Amino acid sequence: EPEVTQTPSHQVTQMGQEVILRCVPISNHLYFYWYRQILGQKVEFLVSFYNNEISEKSEIFDDQFSVERPDGSNFTLKIRSTKLEDSAMYFCASSESLAGGEDEQFFGPGTRLTVL
Amino acid sequence: KQEVTQIPAALSVPEGENLVLNCSFTDSAIYNLQWFRQDPGKGLTSLLLIQSSQREQTSGRLNASLDKSSGRSTLYIAASQPGDSATYLCAVPFSGTYKYIFGTGTRLKVLA
Repeated sequence: EPEVTQTPSHQVTQMGQEVILRCVPISNHLYFYWYRQILGQKVEFLVSFYNNEISEKSEIFDDQFSVERPDGSNFTLKIRSTKLEDSAMYFCASSESLAGGEDEQFFGPGTRLTVL
Repeated sequence: KQEVTQIPAALSVPEGENLVLNCSFTDSAIYNLQWFRQDPGKGLTSLLLIQSSQREQTSGRLNASLDKSSGRSTLYIAASQPGDSATYLCAVPFSGTYKYIFGTGTRLKVLA
């Protein structure tokens, strides 16, 4: 069964460093998402991406964050200058069609980011 | 503000009990509602998806119901087992947005 994959599973970085989290969505899906979950807190939406542009973003998704679909398969989240409070589990998700909101979102296993 | 709330926050039951987890949302205009399971430190495992036009969905010992007009969903777990111990999350995309709004979860412990 097709699934969303994410790499790496765990990333440790120093404060101020740039990190890129990678996701491979399900191949025929058109909508892509990033969410994050700080330890002990609820899952929060960061950004959605469709047709090579951001379709929606949250207040969390400020100028230090960016997303990109560099090729036909990968979807990346870049954090330009990491802060301690960026430590969290980051989930990528994808959904299939132009129906968008009606479609199930399929989630990857997550990347645990630790900022020291 | 569009919010999703789950009660109780934590629940501890003996093995074999049937139990109900609750999810409430502030706006009845939703596309669907999805229930997830999350083990400690792990990812999100999708359990059930209920479209806005549906009233319930079943998968094995799990049954989820949806009452849009009252802004509520319940997840019913029959004959609970220790392996069901996890945090259960509900998530909702409200109409006009495709993002999921997640509840804070119910942490379930099933005692052997």
